[in-house]
Amino acid sequence: AQSVTQPDIHITVSEGASLELRCNYSYGATPYLFWYVQSPGQGLQLLLKYFSGDTLVQGIKGFEAEFKRSQSSFNLRKPSVHWSDAAEYFCAVGLTGNQFYFGTGTSLTVIP
Amino acid sequence: DTAVSQTPKYLVTQMGNDKSIKCEQNLGHDTMYWYKQDSKKFLKIMFSYNNKELIINETVPNRFSPKSPDKAHLNLHINSLELGDSAVYFCASRSSGAEQFFGPGTRLTVL
Repeated sequence: AQSVTQPDIHITVSEGASLELRCNYSYGATPYLFWYVQSPGQGLQLLLKYFSGDTLVQGIKGFEAEFKRSQSSFNLRKPSVHWSDAAEYFCAVGLTGNQFYFGTGTSLTVIP
Repeated sequence: DTAVSQTPKYLVTQMGNDKSIKCEQNLGHDTMYWYKQDSKKFLKIMFSYNNKELIINETVPNRFSPKSPDKAHLNLHINSLELGDSAVYFCASRSSGAEQFFGPGTRLTVL
């Protein structure tokens, strides 16, 4: 079945530590790939996106993600987490025909 | 200048009532969406319109009826509200580059 998987429901990291959030997808062709962040009570903000080309993409707020075709993965990383990064993170895929699917989300808690 | 706006932000109503949520985008995009986010934060696409034409209609009860008077507006009307309709509803607008811009959400509570 076609899906977007975020295996980690909740992650807790210390401020200043590195972060990696996992995302895997199972679609036939390489879809458009996105990471969004949702702060409590807020809408979704785009962190970064991958369409083609360089498999390492840079986003806002110091985030980056790497597309690995062989693993059907698009993991999000940040070298040093700030307390303000605490939020819900969603991986998403965009397909032809305007279909758009989200993963189940990963909730990030940052410990001072 | 809000790119995607929704009204109201909060909506509390009784079971059986009919309510509408309005969405407007000033980005000039042709495609707009409605998503439902449940209590577990799961986001699911409900509808998509391209230039006022319905192009995606997921398995949603027919009590939900989207209306697009023009390509900048996509409203959601819900008839005979049920407890299970309680959720946060997000409107989004899609650029030509497939990126989606989201509204702030409407938190619907059905009592």
